Amino acid sequence: QVQLQQWGAGLLRPSETLSLTCAVYGGSFSDYFWNWIRQPPGQGLEWIGEIRHNGNSNYNPSLKSRVTISIDTSKKQFSLKLSSVTAADTAVYYCARGDGAKVYDWGQGPLVTVSS
Amino acid sequence: EIVLTQSPATLSLSPGERATLSCRASQSVRGYLAWYQQKLGQAPRLLIYDASTRATGIPARFSGSGSGTDFTLTISSLEPEDFAVYYCQQRSNSLTFGGGTKVEIK
Repeated sequence: QVQLQQWGAGLLRPSETLSLTCAVYGGSFSDYFWNWIRQPPGQGLEWIGEIRHNGNSNYNPSLKSRVTISIDTSKKQFSLKLSSVTAADTAVYYCARGDGAKVYDWGQGPLVTVSS
Repeated sequence: EIVLTQSPATLSLSPGERATLSCRASQSVRGYLAWYQQKLGQAPRLLIYDASTRATGIPARFSGSGSGTDFTLTISSLEPEDFAVYYCQQRSNSLTFGGGTKVEIK
């Protein structure tokens, strides 16, 4: 059974860069798509992007200019950077494992707050 | 980008009743439609994928149907633990989620 453990700063000021990392425990690392998905408080889910073990990535067009997803296969970790954050980026951020068409497993989803 | 519209926004039902949730896509997503359940304070859980295939461990009272642009999630007889928010999701091109349907106790 795979476990996804994520960490990163929980409080940011406007214009800073959000940075989160997700470690994968158990299961294959190369057979899946590794996703970041967020959920503003009281709202729905928004896909941020995905990366594969070979470094190929895809992003939500609405966030693409500010997002970088990277991967470290030796550590079985992948990371999210979101630049120039505003209050609108306040959300629970989930790392998740999928197959490109659907998402199977989710991290614990810490809340990241952007506030001056 | 394909937009998914879920209806109704809220469904008020009693335990034992049948729930029918709708998801409509702005263009065809072929069969790449999944459904998730999310309870308060928890991450979503995959229920259905490829429009009608139940994920591992999902009870048979959950079923999915549809193709193209119109999809339905049916819960045949609501159990107390089924009251939650449900999202549909497509991956025909970029991955998108619907806005959700909240199934609440009447």
